Amino acid sequence: EAEVAQSPRYKITEKSQAVAFWCDPISGHATLYWYRQILGQGPELLVQFQDESVVDDSQLPKDRFSAERLKGVDSTLKIQPAELGDSAMYLCASSLPGSGANVLTFGAGSRLTVL
Amino acid sequence: GEDVEQSLFLSVREGDSSVINCTYTDSSSTYLYWYKQEPGAGLQLLTYIFSNMDMKQDQRLTVLLNKKDKHLSLRIADTQTGDSAIYFCAERHYNQGGKLIFGQGTELSVKP
Repeated sequence: EAEVAQSPRYKITEKSQAVAFWCDPISGHATLYWYRQILGQGPELLVQFQDESVVDDSQLPKDRFSAERLKGVDSTLKIQPAELGDSAMYLCASSLPGSGANVLTFGAGSRLTVL
Repeated sequence: GEDVEQSLFLSVREGDSSVINCTYTDSSSTYLYWYKQEPGAGLQLLTYIFSNMDMKQDQRLTVLLNKKDKHLSLRIADTQTGDSAIYFCAERHYNQGGKLIFGQGTELSVKP
């Protein structure tokens, strides 16, 4: 069964350091999403890509977060500098656009702890 | 508004039915979803319902949608200990590029 791959699964860093997360969506899925899930809450969208273009980054803290999907396939989410409040699970998801129900398939997530 | 609300906890006995409830505010929602999250894992799609339907059944799962009251529920029949997890309700808006808005999740605890 096709999966969304994410790495690393766990990352511990000190505040003010830079961190990066990688996501490889299901082959053929043109739409890619990065969600942030703070402990005890539901996921919140950070950024959505359609191929290599950003469709929605309205909730991305652009002073410290950046995301790219240069060739329209895999994607990287970067945080620089990390802050204590960035501790969360970062979830990547992908979907086929125009597929009616637009079912999102999620990866296992990258859990970030900022000390 | 973009609020999706769920009760935080539900505890049931093994073999009983579980009913997890969700309310949403945006009447333009086209699809509504239920996802399951086990500890330390990503979200797994359980089922979804189109907004012009009022019920959908899939094996032990029954989804009921009351569009007038903007209320969605997920019933799990014959709940098992393996069903213990956090369940998220999500809505998709017609005019928001396919993104899903999630509730805060309901933690289901199944006691033997």
